[in-house]
Amino acid sequence: AQSVTQPDIHITVSEGASLELRCNYSYGATPYLFWYVQSPGQGLQLLLKYFSGDTLVQGIKGFEAEFKRSQSSFNLRKPSVHWSDAAEYFCAGVATNKLIFGTGTLLAVQP
Amino acid sequence: NAGVTQTPKFQVLKTGQSMTLQCAQDMNHNSMYWYRQDPGMGLRLIYYSASEGTTDKGEVPNGYNVSRLNKREFSLRLESAAPSQTSVYFCASTEGTGSRYPFGSGTRLTVV
Repeated sequence: AQSVTQPDIHITVSEGASLELRCNYSYGATPYLFWYVQSPGQGLQLLLKYFSGDTLVQGIKGFEAEFKRSQSSFNLRKPSVHWSDAAEYFCAGVATNKLIFGTGTLLAVQP
Repeated sequence: NAGVTQTPKFQVLKTGQSMTLQCAQDMNHNSMYWYRQDPGMGLRLIYYSASEGTTDKGEVPNGYNVSRLNKREFSLRLESAAPSQTSVYFCASTEGTGSRYPFGSGTRLTVV
């Protein structure tokens, strides 16, 4: 079955440090992949999406993600984390017109 | 242009009560979706409607029914609410595969 996996439930980084959140997918064809962010008590905000073309995708708030077919991964990165980046991050992929989510990674940022 | 609008934002129900969650989109999207979000489980698909007049079960459909009233509106009904249905519910829509999936702001439902 097509699925999206986020191996890390919880990650803590120091403010100013770099960040990488992992996402793995299992799809047969070229997937459509997304990263969303959710602040506490808020809705979902789209950070970036990959449909085709350049495998390095730039998003909002200084985030980027790289699609690696050989590793079935779509990891989210940011070179320098800000305290306001503390939130839950969801990777998602499209399977037969349905958007399927990973279980999320909760990011904590320490001073 | 409001995007995806959900009502109500908050609701408390007693076990056994029924209610309908409303979702409307003004983007002329073909497909609409209902998800529930629970801690540690991400968003799980309850039902979806690929086009007006069609609905299909998602991952967790038990205890729910849906109606695609027209192209704009997709409602989710709980006929007899149970505490296990305490969750945050999100509606989404899309024009089709390869397009964006905008989400509503969510409905926080508590069943006591």
